[in-house]
Amino acid sequence: AQTVTQSQPEMSVQEAETVTLSCTYDTSESDYYLFWYKQPPSRQMILVIRQEAYKQQNATENRFSVNFQKAAKSFSLKISDSQLGDAAMYFCAYRSALNTGTASKLTFGTGTRLQVTL
Amino acid sequence: DVKVTQSSRYLVKRTGEKVFLECVQDMDHENMFWYRQDPGLGLRLIYFSYDVKMKEKGDIPEGYSVSREKKERFSLILESASTNQTSMYLCASSLAGTLLQETQYFGPGTRLLVL
Repeated sequence: AQTVTQSQPEMSVQEAETVTLSCTYDTSESDYYLFWYKQPPSRQMILVIRQEAYKQQNATENRFSVNFQKAAKSFSLKISDSQLGDAAMYFCAYRSALNTGTASKLTFGTGTRLQVTL
Repeated sequence: DVKVTQSSRYLVKRTGEKVFLECVQDMDHENMFWYRQDPGLGLRLIYFSYDVKMKEKGDIPEGYSVSREKKERFSLILESASTNQTSMYLCASSLAGTLLQETQYFGPGTRLLVL
């Protein structure tokens, strides 16, 4: 079974600064997908960024980018130019590339709460 | 925009009651999911459904059942609520197919308190 570990329960960053959230995972599969989801205080979870394991290039979405290290099974999220609206719980998630039954489920980490200070 | 709605934001029930949590999505998604979210544990999958009347157990199905009679609606049922089922319940849906289509869209959550 796959596991996802987020070792930082809480992080803090000053507005306009850069912060990196860590995520490691364990799997025996060679093809899979990784995600970062954001859950603001209002509780509606939204997708931030996703990465296909077969792609070597790191995914980027505006101020959000990932550092995907497949051999190390590491998938960190970098937030540049942090804004107050970035304050949220961030979840790292894993999905198998197999397309059958529960293989399409997401396995989540325990989350990192990000505070953004002035 | 995809919209996933859940019938209640907050719910208070008594031990032993039968509890229904409803989830509706408006984008004709094949896949629907029920998670519970607890501090320090992240999100854990209870059940999911990949088609009408089809369901599969997730990681923590004990004490729960589900129903999917229509494509847009996925219900989570607590047959006899217990205090250890006090939690935040999140529903999600996704379109089957490519990774792009399989992004999961979440509802706002239902915070359930069982007394």
